[in-house]
Amino acid sequence: SQQGEEDPQALSIQEGENATMNCSYKTSINNLQWYRQNSGRGLVHLILIRSNEREKHSGRLRVTLDTSKKSSSLLITASRAADTASYFCATETLSGGYQKVTFGTGTKLQVIP
Amino acid sequence: EAQVTQNPRYLITVTGKKLTVTCSQNMNHEYMSWYRQDPGLGLRQIYYSMNVEVTDKGDVPEGYKVSRKEKRNFPLILESPSPNQTSLYFCASKNGDQPQHFGDGTRLSIL
Repeated sequence: SQQGEEDPQALSIQEGENATMNCSYKTSINNLQWYRQNSGRGLVHLILIRSNEREKHSGRLRVTLDTSKKSSSLLITASRAADTASYFCATETLSGGYQKVTFGTGTKLQVIP
Repeated sequence: EAQVTQNPRYLITVTGKKLTVTCSQNMNHEYMSWYRQDPGLGLRQIYYSMNVEVTDKGDVPEGYKVSRKEKRNFPLILESPSPNQTSLYFCASKNGDQPQHFGDGTRLSIL
């Protein structure tokens, strides 16, 4: 089963509104990353948050991490049409000296101009 | 320019005909990984490599092989492709606990 599960699966908002996406996971993690993917293209890294951090900001992006609830959220403020894309969370775990990265199923965001 | 390069970008082939998708990175990254992306399933890890000559299975390794003879290259080999391996494939690389850099993807269709 997927380590990361995003919620909602799809989100449609008006330009200027905020968009919030959530990610839940099952096991202890080393860090959690958020990526963006435009249709049919490769993934682009947005923010990495480590297990000992609770919140990070980057421009219009805000990520929170609650390790007690095993969940994270990505907030995009003042959304733009260009933010239309799929967003994925990915958890990194360390096991026996090996790093394992597991992606969720993604949230498809549509920002309507 | 720092990048991960995959080839080919698109391939249509037939069941059973061996194929290799190449992946090369120019960032001296130690960690490299292959994923497949299918509708509704997100990205699933096929194989990953922590360093040269060190590879390990991801979540969906069946039907795939990899090798890591040199740091910059991590080819994905389908010895006997089947239609259920039709998918969009991504190669990625990173160092330590840094985020991954992704290639642009390879769309494989196996008839």
